[in-house]
Amino acid sequence: ELKVEQNPLFLSMQEGKNYTIYCNYSTTSDRLYWYRQDPGKSLESLFVLLSNGAVKQEGRLMASLDTKARLSTLHITAAVHDLSATYFCAVDRSRGGADGLTFGKGTHLIIQP
Amino acid sequence: DSGVTQTPKHLITATGQRVTLRCSPRSGDLSVYWYQQSLDQGLQFLIHYYNGEERAKGNILERFSAQQFPDLHSELNLSSLELGDSALYFCASSAQGAPSSGANVLTFGAGSRLTVL
Repeated sequence: ELKVEQNPLFLSMQEGKNYTIYCNYSTTSDRLYWYRQDPGKSLESLFVLLSNGAVKQEGRLMASLDTKARLSTLHITAAVHDLSATYFCAVDRSRGGADGLTFGKGTHLIIQP
Repeated sequence: DSGVTQTPKHLITATGQRVTLRCSPRSGDLSVYWYQQSLDQGLQFLIHYYNGEERAKGNILERFSAQQFPDLHSELNLSSLELGDSALYFCASSAQGAPSSGANVLTFGAGSRLTVL
């Protein structure tokens, strides 16, 4: 059974601090997706990592992928309140990605002033 | 606006009833996916349709069924509803329907929040 595990599941941090969210997965997939969900809202695609060693950055968020370790990280630099949300990582349900995604349980991130 | 339209946004009904959730995919997307989101189970894949054909089933109960119509919109039918079916139901769409080396980024709708009393 395909498993996607995120940790931590809940994170409260102060503005200006740095932190990393971890995503471990059990498949041999070389693709990894990150999504963001605001409370009561839909999921929004943040990053798609397509190969081992891939790194993507946007603003204060940086995602990376290590397919050998089956690990992706989402690093937050100098956090600001607007980044408060739930972050999900996901992998393809099947090889080639035709059958949608399996998601982790999400990391609920609260950034306090 | 993601381009994926879901109706209704909110639905309150009683146990034992039947409801239909509707989804219109983003223009040009042939694949529709249904997900259920609840606090205890997280985001669970239910079913995938591509160009009118069922492609994959996930943790979908026998009381639930879905279809995709020729105009590509999809409906998720939930019957004999139980309290535990209360959840947020998402529809997502993508252009991909076959294995590919490219990413299969799903675009999600705003969701339909179902409350069963």
